[in-house]
Amino acid sequence: LAKTTQPISMDSYEGQEVNITCSHNNIATNDYITWYQQFPSQGPRFIIQGYKTKVTNEVASLFIPADRKSSTLSLPRVSLSDTAVYYCLVGVTFLSNQGGKLIFGQGTELSVKP
Amino acid sequence: GAVVSQHPSWVICKSGTSVKIECRSLDFQATTMFWYRQFPKQSLMLMATSNEGSKATYEQGVEKDKFLINHASLTLSTLTVTSAHPEDSSFYICSARAPTGSNQPQHFGDGTRLSIL
Repeated sequence: LAKTTQPISMDSYEGQEVNITCSHNNIATNDYITWYQQFPSQGPRFIIQGYKTKVTNEVASLFIPADRKSSTLSLPRVSLSDTAVYYCLVGVTFLSNQGGKLIFGQGTELSVKP
Repeated sequence: GAVVSQHPSWVICKSGTSVKIECRSLDFQATTMFWYRQFPKQSLMLMATSNEGSKATYEQGVEKDKFLINHASLTLSTLTVTSAHPEDSSFYICSARAPTGSNQPQHFGDGTRLSIL
């Protein structure tokens, strides 16, 4: 499973756009990139998943360059409630019967200030 | 959407006690569930993969006899911490892999805080 590297922490202010970049130099051809959010004393919650280029949903966007060795999670107009730890994971997509085993890296602790 | 439920959410017990934690998939059948452990200010560490109807697969360094996993049905996996000691105090989280092709990501429970006195 590909190893991921993220910044340990980031600070932002309410209303700003936050971009968290993750490096995954050893990503395999079949690997997808998935981001989870975790609040204190709760389990991780799925945010977004992508394979290449750009994916957007109602809460975030995921940008993946052509070489797929990195990815950027973009959170538009963050609020105080977005303060959490964000994890980037690389592995086989949940659509595959081979998917499942998720290895968590250190994550990025995002702090949103008023 | 799919939901994974853990019980109990919080347990305190004396050293030497065995503690059982339940993980249930509420509206889907999960042939595979996963157990993680998380210490304060650290990331989740995968402990084992729980497979319905077969033995669990443990990650390197995780004691099989210490952390007993039983996946007796398609909606329930249990983790029993046997003869728990203070160093076993941690946040235990389970997840369930949704059925193949369901277009659902892996769902996590809200964890169980285990404190051993």
